[in-house]
Amino acid sequence: QKEVEQNSGPLSVPEGAIASLNCTYSDRVSQSFFWYRQYSGKSPELIMSIYSNGDKEDGRFTAQLNKASQYVSLLIRDSQPSDSATYLCHGNQFYFGTGTSLTVIP
Amino acid sequence: KAGVTQTPRYLIKTRGQQVTLSCSPISGHRSVSWYQQTPGQGLQFLFEYFSETQRNKGNFPGRFSGRQFSNSRSEMNVSTLELGDSALYLCASSLAGAGFNEKLFFGSGTQLSVL
Repeated sequence: QKEVEQNSGPLSVPEGAIASLNCTYSDRVSQSFFWYRQYSGKSPELIMSIYSNGDKEDGRFTAQLNKASQYVSLLIRDSQPSDSATYLCHGNQFYFGTGTSLTVIP
Repeated sequence: KAGVTQTPRYLIKTRGQQVTLSCSPISGHRSVSWYQQTPGQGLQFLFEYFSETQRNKGNFPGRFSGRQFSNSRSEMNVSTLELGDSALYLCASSLAGAGFNEKLFFGSGTQLSVL
């Protein structure tokens, strides 16, 4: 079983909509989670980190962590075409989810 | 503060050859991890070096090896290249490593093509 599983998508949403990206994890060691965004042909860049249960908001992005359910999500409000990218979920181990490709349609 | 530097940016090799990739982490970062990325496979963990020692290893054959120098710069070597080794190779640096609640900083990657 993979340590980190993502809803692989691809996901398409219209501009201005909410995009919801989800990740489940199997190991109980991970205490923190990170979301990385990767544009085509570029390297991943960190956009959100979350260390405790609950929600964390940063601008249009909200990360949610539920350790009891071993579930972490990323919500992107008011999605923009510039949000079109692959989003990678990562716990505090070495393994990443396979990524979710998001396309925001103008 | 300079970011993570990977060289070369592109490489073209033929089957059977070997290749060495270089990664210079952010100043002060002692952990360097390497990843292979292919379409549809996401980021596959190769190995992690910390203070010149391989501390963690993924599930790759022994043809993939690495090392880290005293200045934290790291190299990755792939011997006897196969067509399936064609991929984007990314290195990431952090202060203590991914297992310590730390974010990773990625280099631009080396795109390896094996013909």
